[in-house]
Amino acid sequence: EVQLLESGGGLVQPGGSLRLSCAASGFTFSSYAMSWVRQAPGKGLEWVSAISGSGGSTYYADSVKGRFTISRDNSKNTLYLQMNSLRAEDTAVYYCAKGATIFGVVTYAFDIWGQGTMVTVSS
Amino acid sequence: DIQMTQSPSTLSASVGDRVTITCRASQSISSWLAWYQQKPGKAPKLLIYKASSLESGVPSRFSGSGSGTEFTLTISSLQPDDFATYYCQQYNSYTWTFGQGTKVEIK
Repeated sequence: EVQLLESGGGLVQPGGSLRLSCAASGFTFSSYAMSWVRQAPGKGLEWVSAISGSGGSTYYADSVKGRFTISRDNSKNTLYLQMNSLRAEDTAVYYCAKGATIFGVVTYAFDIWGQGTMVTVSS
Repeated sequence: DIQMTQSPSTLSASVGDRVTITCRASQSISSWLAWYQQKPGKAPKLLIYKASSLESGVPSRFSGSGSGTEFTLTISSLQPDDFATYYCQQYNSYTWTFGQGTKVEIK
């Protein structure tokens, strides 16, 4: 079964740091781009960051650029999001999501999502 | 950055109704448009990719159309399981953006 399982969320003070992990199973992890998408309480979805299958290319939303770092360890089938200088507005459920490739063609959609991990930034 | 505007924000409908949700992009995104369904407390579920391609396992009552800047998601006959929030999502130049969502409520 194809599965993504996030961990690492919690309560952190403003200015603090947190590292999220996303364990993948059921597919060839290194063959797919991965992303982090977040959802503030009661709000819509916001794309945060993406990384290529090899890990050689990374992309960020302007709202997190310079504070967050996406990475992956293909030997461990795990995606990471290092979050520094956290702000109250970073409070959200963070989802990892797999880039959808249909018949070998990249679609730039997300076909598999984890259950999410909650990050709360508050003093 | 490309902005995505969904309409309506909320839609009240009955079982069996034909429902249409619109998503407009602030500039052309070709066909890099996807639609998701999200239920409370759950992760989003991919319904449509590349504007009009139905994701495997998604019921055929869901369909998508459009290109350029205007896109639609249509549910041909609303079922009880379809009451949820729907999001469009675009891709352009290594940036992904979601619409603000459309909540489909029971009338």
